Amino acid sequence: EPEVTQTPSHQVTQMGQEVILRCVPISNHLYFYWYRQILGQKVEFLVSFYNNEISEKSEIFDDQFSVERPDGSNFTLKIRSTKLEDSAMYFCASSVEAKLFFGSGTQLSVL
Amino acid sequence: EDQVTQSPEALRLQEGESSSLNCSYTVSGLRGLFWYRQDPGKGPEFLFTLYSAGEEKEKERLKATLTKKESFLHITAPKPEDSATYLCAVQTYSGAGSYQLTFGKGTKLSVIP
Repeated sequence: EPEVTQTPSHQVTQMGQEVILRCVPISNHLYFYWYRQILGQKVEFLVSFYNNEISEKSEIFDDQFSVERPDGSNFTLKIRSTKLEDSAMYFCASSVEAKLFFGSGTQLSVL
Repeated sequence: EDQVTQSPEALRLQEGESSSLNCSYTVSGLRGLFWYRQDPGKGPEFLFTLYSAGEEKEKERLKATLTKKESFLHITAPKPEDSATYLCAVQTYSGAGSYQLTFGKGTKLSVIP
């Protein structure tokens, strides 16, 4: 069964460093998303991406964040200068329309 | 602002002891209500989508129902492998190009053998 793949599964970085989280969405999907989940809290929407542009973003998704679909298969989330509060599990998701499929996540730890 | 509240936060059941999880929501323009299962350290796994009040969906020991203000996830004769966090999420009409979900905090279910 097709699945959303995320790499790396764990990422440790120093505060102020840039990180790039990578995702390979399901191949025929058109909509792409990033969510995050801080330990013990709810899954929160960050950004949606459709037709090679951001279609919606939350208040969390500030100028430190950016997304890109550099080729036909990858979808990336970049955090330009990480902060301690960026430590969370980051999930990529994709959909044809309404039903979102999630990857297993990247656990980001900012020290 | 869309709000999703799940109860209880945690639920311990004996194997075979049926129960229900609740998800109440306040949204402007519900497109769909979703149930996901989340295992520790994993991403949400899709279970059901419900689109209109009165709709029901079933999968093995799970049955989801929807009213105008809440949804229930009924678990019949649960087994230890049903232990997980069950997430409820609402999808609203937010314009073209996005089907984003707003999640509740989840109910952590533990089924004891």
